[in-house]
Amino acid sequence: GQQLNQSPQSMFIQEGEDVSMNCTSSSIFNTWLWYKQDPGEGPVLLIALYKAGELTSNGRLTAQFGITRKDSFLNISASIPSDVGIYFCAGKGGGTSYGKLTFGQGTILTVHP
Amino acid sequence: NAGVTQTPKFQVLKTGQSMTLQCAQDMNHEYMSWYRQDPGMGLRLIHYSVGAGITDQGEVPNGYNVSRSTTEDFPLRLLSAAPSQTSVYFCASTPIDRGPTDTQYFGPGTRLTVL
Repeated sequence: GQQLNQSPQSMFIQEGEDVSMNCTSSSIFNTWLWYKQDPGEGPVLLIALYKAGELTSNGRLTAQFGITRKDSFLNISASIPSDVGIYFCAGKGGGTSYGKLTFGQGTILTVHP
Repeated sequence: NAGVTQTPKFQVLKTGQSMTLQCAQDMNHEYMSWYRQDPGMGLRLIHYSVGAGITDQGEVPNGYNVSRSTTEDFPLRLLSAAPSQTSVYFCASTPIDRGPTDTQYFGPGTRLTVL
């Protein structure tokens, strides 16, 4: 099946630092999504990308859909303590796969005040 | 709207017991799915449904059954629980509009421990 490799697995940073994480795939995706999961909660969508090369921002978050359609990255600028959580990338194929998503393993982010 | 709701929030089972994890959504979404989340493995798709009466297997379906008798409900059944099924289970729903806005909405999760 499709595989997504997400890196890094975990990050420990100081408040105010920028963060970068990425996902690579062995297969092409038509949609890339980035989710954040707070402890004890379900994932919440942060950014959705629908076209190769697309660069999209949501506040301090910026994500890009790779040109090859096999990768994506997420940047967080000027991190704050509430950025703590697990960040997941997810890819969706085309055709009849509808909402069927393949998830990366997650990046655990810790922000020290 | 309540969104996606899941019950119970926590459950402890003994090996061999059966149980049903409930999932409901009030957004009239056609697509619903079940994932399990294990440390270091992200979320893996168990079963999904594209509408009432239609279900299909995901990546890790063994040991689980689903049914979709209504648009709103998508229960997940563990037939004979095993310790390997200890996990956090998430239900999600999505409107199928064949366009770019097919965001998946996740429930709060059920934390299951099988002894």
